[in-house]
Amino acid sequence: DADVTQTPRNRITKTGKRIMLECSQTKGHDRMYWYRQDPGLGLRLIYYSFDVKDINKGEISDGYSVSRQAQAKFSLSLESAIPNQTALYFCATRDDRGIDGYTFGSGTRLTVV
Amino acid sequence: GQQVMQIPQYQHVQEGEDFTTYCNSSTTLSNIQWYKQRPGGHPVFLIQLVKSGEVKKQKRLTFQFGEAKKNSSLHITATQTTDVGTYFCAGPYSGGYQKVTFGIGTKLQVIP
Repeated sequence: DADVTQTPRNRITKTGKRIMLECSQTKGHDRMYWYRQDPGLGLRLIYYSFDVKDINKGEISDGYSVSRQAQAKFSLSLESAIPNQTALYFCATRDDRGIDGYTFGSGTRLTVV
Repeated sequence: GQQVMQIPQYQHVQEGEDFTTYCNSSTTLSNIQWYKQRPGGHPVFLIQLVKSGEVKKQKRLTFQFGEAKKNSSLHITATQTTDVGTYFCAGPYSGGYQKVTFGIGTKLQVIP
């Protein structure tokens, strides 16, 4: 099994719909992150969580919300999807000591039509 | 906010040629990380550099961290088709060692 699992892998949704992307990890790390990847823009941080009770906005949090249901689970929601939220979304985790880099999930390709 | 600038954005090389990508920051970085993302895949952590002037090697890959800790490079010797992908550098946000900002990446294409 993958260390970081994201579901779904692909999703097409309509403008205005609410959608949730899910992420779970087996690394036992407290720190989890949601990134968005767009061509030519690299990876941009949406939200991050350093433990179950700690949620923080990243650089592009508008239009998104998150929920940290447990140490291993961190979900991202689009409250009312819009076409410019079409992107590749990655969940990641990292150990608390910061010795190693991020472990990314396989990504969710989201298309908003 | 702090940014890491990465060049070039694209690079095509003939198989067997060398390749280098550069990462630059306007501020001193406490560390820098490098990742590789294969086409259709996800970023995979390669290495983290921490010390000024540090040089690390992984087979044909050589990573350097500048003396001023404001720049870094990844050099691949004698590229192979398996090296195809996008290489990202990432540096910590100012004052936050557990958040990083990613460069836009260098997309490497290797021509057989």
